[in-house]
Amino acid sequence: DAKTTQPNSMESNEEEPVHLPCNHSTISGTDYIHWYRQLPSQGPEYVIHGLTSNVNNRMASLAIAEDRKSSTLILHRATLRDAAVYYCIHLEYGNKLVFGAGTILRVKS
Amino acid sequence: DSGVTQTPKHLITATGQRVTLRCSPRSGDLSVYWYQQSLDQGLQFLIHYYNGEERAKGNILERFSAQQFPDLHSELNLSSLELGDSALYFCASTSGGGDTGELFFGEGSRLTVL
Repeated sequence: DAKTTQPNSMESNEEEPVHLPCNHSTISGTDYIHWYRQLPSQGPEYVIHGLTSNVNNRMASLAIAEDRKSSTLILHRATLRDAAVYYCIHLEYGNKLVFGAGTILRVKS
Repeated sequence: DSGVTQTPKHLITATGQRVTLRCSPRSGDLSVYWYQQSLDQGLQFLIHYYNGEERAKGNILERFSAQQFPDLHSELNLSSLELGDSALYFCASTSGGGDTGELFFGEGSRLTVL
């Protein structure tokens, strides 16, 4: 299974940007990078995904390094509702989403 | 609301028993995935069905089985239950084969084995 490396936890202040890093050094050319988050007592929720170019949606931005071995999920203005476990997943083509331990994001008011 | 419905939400049973968890995917979604989340193992992929056919298997025990019916709903059967099977079981669906698309997760079924 494809492996990713993320910090165990991060802390942010409310209304400030948050940059969540992820390393995926074994990624190949056709593998997508997905981000999901899991709020307390809920199922995982899709955040964003990308292949090569940076991506933006209403929830976040995804910045992908030129060599694609790392990426950063950017929450532009963290709110208390963004406190969750964030999973970075390197999806091998034809494979399934394999979740790692993720990063626990704490947001302080 | 993701549009994925899982029942029951909570289930308490005894060791050795058998239970069935049900998942109704979002309307039109052909793929159904099952995941198990326990405190010590995190989210573990169990099995993936696409339009009634098994597509991929993960860390699913032989005591567990699943199927996807013609109306696309899916059931996960857990038998000879052990204490260690206590966990949250999530179902997720997506429209395609799941290679690149977004998965929509249900709220989970919490199984407690006593």
